[in-house]
Amino acid sequence: EPEVTQTPSHQVTQMGQEVILRCVPISNHLYFYWYRQILGQKVEFLVSFYNNEISEKSEIFDDQFSVERPDGSNFTLKIRSTKLEDSAMYFCASSESGSSYNSPLHFGNGTRLTVT
Amino acid sequence: KNQVEQSPQSLIILEGKNCTLQCNYTVSPFSNLRWYKQDTGRGPVSLTIMTFSENTKSNGRYTATLDADTKQSSLHITASQLSDSASYICVVSPYSGGGADGLTFGKGTHLIIQP
Repeated sequence: EPEVTQTPSHQVTQMGQEVILRCVPISNHLYFYWYRQILGQKVEFLVSFYNNEISEKSEIFDDQFSVERPDGSNFTLKIRSTKLEDSAMYFCASSESGSSYNSPLHFGNGTRLTVT
Repeated sequence: KNQVEQSPQSLIILEGKNCTLQCNYTVSPFSNLRWYKQDTGRGPVSLTIMTFSENTKSNGRYTATLDADTKQSSLHITASQLSDSASYICVVSPYSGGGADGLTFGKGTHLIIQP
């Protein structure tokens, strides 16, 4: 069964450094998402992406965050200047259609980001 | 503000027993409600998706119910197995007329199955 893959599985970085989290969504999916989950807390929406542009973003997704689909397969999340509070598990997800429709989200297994 | 509340926060049951997890939401307008299973250190996996017109949906030993009038849902697990130990997350999608919109997640119920 096709799945969403994320790399790396764990990233340690120093405060102020830039990080890029990578995702390969399922190949025939059109909608892509980034979520984060701080340890012990609920999953939080960051951004959705469709047709090569951001569809919606949360208040968490401020100017230090950006997303890109540089080619036909990868979907990346960049954090320009990491802060301690960015430490979390970051999940990429994809779906065939938008979340208003009955299309399940397929999540990757996440990248655990630790900012020191 | 759209919110999803789940109860109990955690639950311990013996293998083979049944259990029911609850979800209340205030998301409006409402499109669909989803239940996900999240194993420790892994991404959530979809169990069921229900629209406002559906009252119940099953996926193997998992049965979800929805009352759109009272904005409540439940997930019933029958004949629990050790592999059912996980967090179960209720997720609600607002209606937006289409498009790639974010979902509202509950905090989850942490279920532990004991042998």
